[in-house]
Amino acid sequence: AQSVTQLGSHVSVSEGALVLLRCNYSSSVPPYLFWYVQYPNQGLQLLLKYTSAATLVKGINGFEAEFKKSETSFHLTKPSAHMSDAAEYFCAVSDWGGSQGNLIFGKGTKLSVKP
Amino acid sequence: GAVVSQHPSRVICKSGTSVKIECRSLDFQATTMFWYRQFPKQSLMLMATSNEGSKATYEQGVEKDKFLINHASLTLSTLTVTSAHPEDSSFYICSAREVLQETQYFGPGTRLLVL
Repeated sequence: AQSVTQLGSHVSVSEGALVLLRCNYSSSVPPYLFWYVQYPNQGLQLLLKYTSAATLVKGINGFEAEFKKSETSFHLTKPSAHMSDAAEYFCAVSDWGGSQGNLIFGKGTKLSVKP
Repeated sequence: GAVVSQHPSRVICKSGTSVKIECRSLDFQATTMFWYRQFPKQSLMLMATSNEGSKATYEQGVEKDKFLINHASLTLSTLTVTSAHPEDSSFYICSAREVLQETQYFGPGTRLLVL
């Protein structure tokens, strides 16, 4: 069975500071990993994904994530936070190649950005 | 590319009535669509997976007779909440995936309030 753990339900950073959102996964098969962002009362927007190619993945809005198999982690980072980055962020794992490639989501991390 | 729409975006109904939510993939053919439910400040919970032309697969604990899913075409899936009750009030989000692709693209969500 697959699972995702997001450490920290709420992260607060100052504008211009480094953003680090943590995600650890558990999977019995090579995982596909995703980060999605959700703004209030909206659906989810794909930030980036790891699909067994390069371990450092660059996404939209300056975000990137690194797949570390030894640590079973896929942490999301951004060098300099912007006010518009304030949102809820979800890490997800898929067993693509397995049954139906369903997504298993973490509980989410709410990012606040202080001026 | 990869735009998914949902209609309506918000609906208020009386207890006992049925509500239909549409999910459309606008610029791609979605062989698989997913329906999620999201409670306030919580993650997404997968309700069911539907493949075009076949019956939906429901997750454990989801009543298939209450949440009717139809995936009649490669661009449209509908979720009907039958005999809605206040506890069905939630944010319902659909996603769609192209054949042989690993990424799910999400709709903007539908806020359902049952009075």
